[in-house]
Amino acid sequence: GENVEQHPSTLSVQEGDSAVIKCTYSDSASNYFPWYKQELGKRPQLIIDIRSNVGEKKDQRIAVTLNKTAKHFSLHITETQPEDSAVYFCAATTYNNNDMRFGAGTRLTVKP
Amino acid sequence: GAVVSQHPSRVICKSGTSVKIECRSLDFQATTMFWYRQFPKQSLMLMATSNEGSKATYEQGVEKDKFLINHASLTLSTLTVTSAHPEDSSFYICSARLAGGPVVDTQYFGPGTRLTVL
Repeated sequence: GENVEQHPSTLSVQEGDSAVIKCTYSDSASNYFPWYKQELGKRPQLIIDIRSNVGEKKDQRIAVTLNKTAKHFSLHITETQPEDSAVYFCAATTYNNNDMRFGAGTRLTVKP
Repeated sequence: GAVVSQHPSRVICKSGTSVKIECRSLDFQATTMFWYRQFPKQSLMLMATSNEGSKATYEQGVEKDKFLINHASLTLSTLTVTSAHPEDSSFYICSARLAGGPVVDTQYFGPGTRLTVL
C-alpha cells in the first residue's frame, strides 16, 4: 500500500518569509496529491491539490510542485502570515481509489 | 459548496455504552464517505470506507463489529462505536467524496466528533 512521509514535523518562520513542506510517496500508481490545513480542533481544509499530469500548480501565495520520477511533492507558502499557522497534511492516492494516505503532518508557526 | 456536517461535535459517555456519530453531505451527493480517527498531535488514520448501499470496507486492524458503519443514503453515513471503552476516546472525522463531476477525488471533511469515554 501507499506510504507517505512528510518533513519537517515542525516549522517556525518569521512573518513574510517562505515556508516549504516536503512529502514523498511510495506507490508509483498514485496520481492525486491534495494538501490540507488543519487548525486546532477543527476539520482539515483542502488548500490545494495537484494531479500527476502537471508538475506545478499555484494559487495566490500557495504553490505545489510534483516530481513523479522522484516520487515527491512539496507545498510552498510565500509571504507567510500569522494566520497561516496550523498543521498541514499532505496526502496521496490514485484516481477513484478509496485509499488516501496522509503524511504525519507539519506544524507551521508563523511568528509576527 | 461541498459542505459536510457531523453530529454530535462532542460526546462524553460511560464505558460500555454505544455512541452513534452522523456524517452528512449537505449540498452534494456522496457515494463514498470515509471515517478517520485522529489522536492528539497525530495524523488522520483511515478506519473504513463507507459505500452507499453496500458494506463498509475496513482497514486492517479496525474491528468491524466494534465500529459499525451504515451508509443508508447518498448524503448520510453513520459510525456507531459499540461498547465503548476509554481507549476509544479520540477525535473521529468523516469525509465525503463528490459523486461524479470533474473533481471526483477530493475529499471534504466534516468538523469532527470528540469522543470521551469515562
